[in-house]
Amino acid sequence: KQEVTQIPAALSVPEGENLVLNCSFTDSAIYNLQWFRQDPGKGLTSLLLIQSSQREQTSGRLNASLDKSSGRSTLYIAASQPGDSATYLCAVHTGRRALTFGSGTRLQVQP
Amino acid sequence: EAGVAQSPRYKIIEKRQSVAFWCNPISGHATLYWYQQILGQGPKLLIQFQNNGVVDDSQLPKDRFSAERLKGVDSTLKIQPAKLEDSAVYLCASSYPQGGMSTEAFFGQGTRLTVV
Repeated sequence: KQEVTQIPAALSVPEGENLVLNCSFTDSAIYNLQWFRQDPGKGLTSLLLIQSSQREQTSGRLNASLDKSSGRSTLYIAASQPGDSATYLCAVHTGRRALTFGSGTRLQVQP
Repeated sequence: EAGVAQSPRYKIIEKRQSVAFWCNPISGHATLYWYQQILGQGPKLLIQFQNNGVVDDSQLPKDRFSAERLKGVDSTLKIQPAKLEDSAVYLCASSYPQGGMSTEAFFGQGTRLTVV
């Protein structure tokens, strides 16, 4: 059974810092991995999708890497801003199965 | 492109009452998911549909939860009777399967259910 763990559970940083969010999964036979952002009381917004054959994906100040063999992914956020404050969720797809989620990292960027 | 639509956004009911949620996926997306997200946790799959067939409902509490996706488009999730522990956000998502595999999933805004 796939299990996804996210570390740290919460993070508070001053504006402008570069930061790394970690995600690990137990079954490396994944089809793809998605990073999501969730604002309080809202649904999930897809940030980045990494296919199992890819090593990384970039979108603006966000960069996600994938090391399938070691069961790890990282989300790098450059030059953090207060507007980046949200919960970041990592989820993996295993073939036809649905996404399995971690519990998220709650990020607060202090102005 | 229109996103995943869900209604209602909020619902407050008393325990033992029934409630239904509605989801309209992105046009053309054959795969539809219902997730339950309890405060402070990641979403947990309740049921996955491929067109109007069930792919996975192993974590659906079938004694009180039911879901259907008639005609392979819209879906409804029902809880009857509700318990206090059902208080959560119910998220609907859809994706376009490619080669039988699920691809990028898109989520709706969710329905926040409070059972009192």
